Amino acid sequence: GQNIDQPTEMTATEGAIVQINCTYQTSGFNGLFWYQQHAGEAPTFLSYNVLDGLEEKGRFSSFLSRSKGYSYLLLKELQMKDSASYLCAVREPGRRALTFGSGTRLQVQP
Amino acid sequence: KAGVTQTPRYLIKTRGQQVTLSCSPISGHRSVSWYQQTPGQGLQFLFEYFSETQRNKGNFPGRFSGRQFSNSRSEMNVSTLELGDSALYLCASSLEGGGPRATDTQYFGPGTRLTVL
Repeated sequence: GQNIDQPTEMTATEGAIVQINCTYQTSGFNGLFWYQQHAGEAPTFLSYNVLDGLEEKGRFSSFLSRSKGYSYLLLKELQMKDSASYLCAVREPGRRALTFGSGTRLQVQP
Repeated sequence: KAGVTQTPRYLIKTRGQQVTLSCSPISGHRSVSWYQQTPGQGLQFLFEYFSETQRNKGNFPGRFSGRQFSNSRSEMNVSTLELGDSALYLCASSLEGGGPRATDTQYFGPGTRLTVL
């Protein structure tokens, strides 16, 4: 079976740091992706992890622990435009399609 | 390089009708996947195509079908529409054969918002 869990909603303050967690249980693993989706728009790619550790890309970082089935997305120096849904997705071997979590809606407040 | 394009962007149909949605992948991308997104169920995988072959299929009824053409463009069809088919239908493309370190990231189109009345 496949199960990907994320918190439903989070609130943070402009300029702060927020960590969005994702836990997964899938029959196989071939990479974990984070996407950002603003209301009414398509998801846009943020980061990719396939090996354990931290991947940093500007204000966004993503961490993966395969043994724990755990990832997090870290957003630094939050801006109002970061208010969006953040989707955690796992790719299983033999396919390019992804299994998505239900997403975390982040609200950044002034 | 142009992104993934989907047509139409918005569609209104009535129950029992059928609909065809179109997706053009990023130039050079040969893999196309389709997803359905609803507020209650989130993003759910429909099917995945590569080189005109359906490679994987999600847990949707047979009313949902698709195909891919030789130029990698893809279409999906939903027959006998039901109210519950109202959703945002997203297409995503990825590059295959980029080598062992390729991420084969999926890039999404803007989606087709289907409303069934």
